[in-house]
Amino acid sequence: AAGVIQSPRHLIKEKRETATLKCYPIPRHDTVYWYQQGPGQDPQFLISFYEKMQSDKGSIPDRFSAQQFSDYHSELNMSSLELGDSALYFCASSQKSGPAYEQYFGPGTRLTVT
Amino acid sequence: AQKVTQAQTEISVVEKEDVTLDCVYETRDTTYYLFWYKQPPSGELVFLIRRNSFDEQNEISGRYSWNFQKSTSSFNFTITASQVVDSAVYFCALKSVDSNYQLIWGAGTKLIIKP
Repeated sequence: AAGVIQSPRHLIKEKRETATLKCYPIPRHDTVYWYQQGPGQDPQFLISFYEKMQSDKGSIPDRFSAQQFSDYHSELNMSSLELGDSALYFCASSQKSGPAYEQYFGPGTRLTVT
Repeated sequence: AQKVTQAQTEISVVEKEDVTLDCVYETRDTTYYLFWYKQPPSGELVFLIRRNSFDEQNEISGRYSWNFQKSTSSFNFTITASQVVDSAVYFCALKSVDSNYQLIWGAGTKLIIKP
């Protein structure tokens, strides 16, 4: 079965640079979520989109922005990167945005900021 | 307030032993959803199960079983005859109206299965 695709899988950037992470949800999933997971921590919710509109916002820094495109893929744009942004970034998708729908996670993008 | 507590930070057992991972949750909502996810060393998060608050039936899937008890607000996960491949961090999570339907995660339990 098709899974959530994230690219790139690994990314190394320097401080103050920008980064763009991409997410391709499972086919026919219309809701996308972004999470940030630091070492030894649980995933922290950043932002979600339903039918190409932002549906909820979590602890996403102002330096980050995201959008969902007409083909339902999503991109997380990160600017003025800081050392503390080094983390595993997950994208997840679900069939609908309701609570009963489980989220399926992609393999993650490991971002290292040096 | 919504909260998920996984009191066991790390569990280490020898292969073929049974092991239970505890999950205790707090919510004021009467309708809520509970989840377990597995995160192996490779890093991906794998969905294991979803349980609705109005369905207290326990579930078994192969060597995995889940015990949902509303009376104690617990949703425990048992692995029978553990295998080395079960080594991972396991997260319990909760979703409800009060959390704006966002996943509230426990801190995770690191399970180490020794050969």
